Amino acid sequence: QKEVEQNSGPLSVPEGAIASLNCTYSDRGSQSFFWYRQYSGKSPELIMSIYSNGDKEDGRFTAQLNKASQYVSLLIRDSQPSDSATYLCAVNRLRIYNQGGKLIFGQGTELSVKP
Amino acid sequence: NAGVMQNPRHLVRRRGQEARLRCSPMKGHSHVYWYRQLPEEGLKFMVYLQKENIIDESGMPKERFSAEFPKEGPSILRIQQVVRGDSAAYFCASSPPDKGVYNEQFFGPGTRLTVL
Repeated sequence: QKEVEQNSGPLSVPEGAIASLNCTYSDRGSQSFFWYRQYSGKSPELIMSIYSNGDKEDGRFTAQLNKASQYVSLLIRDSQPSDSATYLCAVNRLRIYNQGGKLIFGQGTELSVKP
Repeated sequence: NAGVMQNPRHLVRRRGQEARLRCSPMKGHSHVYWYRQLPEEGLKFMVYLQKENIIDESGMPKERFSAEFPKEGPSILRIQQVVRGDSAAYFCASSPPDKGVYNEQFFGPGTRLTVL
């Protein structure tokens, strides 16, 4: 079982629709969760972080966390063609405070938004 | 307000040569992380450093790879005697101190290493 799992896609949605991206993780000790966007040939760009159960909204993006189900999701409202990219879910399994911590990444979900 | 800087952006080496990749963290950041992205694979953690200290090197290959983050200057990822399998994108990320589990990591543009 992979530590962080995502559907590889591609996920295709029409412009203006809601794109829903999902991620599950295996380590119940995971404490912080991140969504990155990566355009082809570019570096990952942080778009959302979430630490507590529930929803967190930022503009057109909403991250959802359910620690009991070990599930993280990202919703993109009013999807635009410029949102077409690979979305990476990352989990931090920090054990020692004040020492940062490595991120474990999923394989990424490729999103295609059709005009 | 410069972001994470990496150089070179592209590096070509022949088998057996050495590759040196440099990373300067964002201003105010003291934690540096190196990740590798092989073609068609996900991002994999390699090493986490603070100034003059390696905190976690659990993702580093046992041989040929080393990393440092000196008191002055950028962090360096060094690959000795490169092989074709080392061809990948190498990303550096940084995060601020004292954030613990809430550290957000910001990535540099990466160095694309090609081994001929």
